[in-house]
Amino acid sequence: GAVVSQHPSRVICKSGTSVKIECRSLDFQATTMFWYRQFPKQSLMLMATSNEGSKATYEQGVEKDKFLINHASLTLSTLTVTSAHPEDSSFYICSAIGRRGPQETQYFGPGTRLLVL
Amino acid sequence: AQKITQTQPGMFVQEKEAVTLDCTYDTSDQSYGLFWYKQPSSGEMIFLIYQGSYDEQNATEGRYSLNFQKARKSANLVISASQLGDSAMYFCAMREGYNQGGKLIFGQGTELSVKP
Repeated sequence: GAVVSQHPSRVICKSGTSVKIECRSLDFQATTMFWYRQFPKQSLMLMATSNEGSKATYEQGVEKDKFLINHASLTLSTLTVTSAHPEDSSFYICSAIGRRGPQETQYFGPGTRLLVL
Repeated sequence: AQKITQTQPGMFVQEKEAVTLDCTYDTSDQSYGLFWYKQPSSGEMIFLIYQGSYDEQNATEGRYSLNFQKARKSANLVISASQLGDSAMYFCAMREGYNQGGKLIFGQGTELSVKP
């Protein structure tokens, strides 16, 4: 089946630094990828939709200048958390649309745990 | 308004027994898709099963089946013959509209614990 990878799997950084998270579709091309954030014991909240070759579409309440998304190719989308603060500490998950038999569905990456000190 | 509702924060089931995880949804679209994902402690989201709004038969995937009741707007997940490895968080999600590449809206999740 479709496989999505994320790098790094976990990162610890100091407050005020920027952190880049990569999301790759390994065996398929993805024109659309999604970025989610998940706090402990909570559900996934969609942050933005990443479209190859165009600007990302952000959900209401998500600061586009803080969470920079670049979808430079059909297999790579990056999320950069700029000037990270402790409240940005969370589990960030990307997903990409892939095909499983006749049905398209979303395949998720393994997630990135971000801890901002 | 909550579009996807999972009313069971936590569930327990005995190993080898069946368990039903509840999910109700709200949409005015005629075309939509319903998904179930499993999230073990590692955090990875594992796709389990999909049901399209126009699918007349309930979806099944191995030990997983989806009890789709359109009039009631419910899409419960049934896991048969529970295994210890089934212990995890389970999320119901909905995609509105015909576009299969559309974004998903997730429910609050249900934490399933399988007892030996």
